[in-house]
Amino acid sequence: DADVTQTPRNRITKTGKRIMLECSQTKGHDRMYWYRQDPGLGLRLIYYSFDVKDINKGEISDGYSVSRQAQAKFSLSLESAIPNQTALYFCATSQPGAGSGYTFGSGTRLTVV
Amino acid sequence: SQQGEEDPQALSIQEGENATMNCSYKTSINNLQWYRQNSGRGLVHLILIRSNEREKHSGRLRVTLDTSKKSSSLLITASRAADTASYFCAAYSGAGSYQLTFGKGTKLSVIP
Repeated sequence: DADVTQTPRNRITKTGKRIMLECSQTKGHDRMYWYRQDPGLGLRLIYYSFDVKDINKGEISDGYSVSRQAQAKFSLSLESAIPNQTALYFCATSQPGAGSGYTFGSGTRLTVV
Repeated sequence: SQQGEEDPQALSIQEGENATMNCSYKTSINNLQWYRQNSGRGLVHLILIRSNEREKHSGRLRVTLDTSKKSSSLLITASRAADTASYFCAAYSGAGSYQLTFGKGTKLSVIP
């Protein structure tokens, strides 16, 4: 099993719909992140969490919300999806001081029509 | 805001040649990281170099860091077709920041 698992892998949804992307990890890492990737724009941070009670906005949090249900689970919600939220979404984890960088999931490709 | 910026945006080489990618960043850093992404897949951490290190090796990878020029380079020696991927540098966006920001990447194509 993958260290960081994202579901679903692909999703097509309609404008205005609420959608949740889920992420779970078996790394035992405290820190979890959500990024989106758009062609030509690289990765941009949406939200991050350092533990279950700690949630922080990233560079582009508008239109998104998150929930850290447990140390191993971090979900991203789009309350009312819009077409410019069409992107590749990645969940990542890290452990402070480990010096080993982030571990990424395989991504969720979201299309809003 | 973007911390790292890679150069070139795209690079095409023959198998067996060396590939060099560069990264410039804006603010002081504690460390700089390099990641690889195969098409449409998640990023994979390759190597981390700390601000007090000038060079680091891992297999066929060699990373250098010049803090005076705020730049880093990633060298892949004896490239293989399997090295075809996008490569990203990443650093924390400023002192005390917990936000790891990524550049837009260098797309490397290794031709068999």
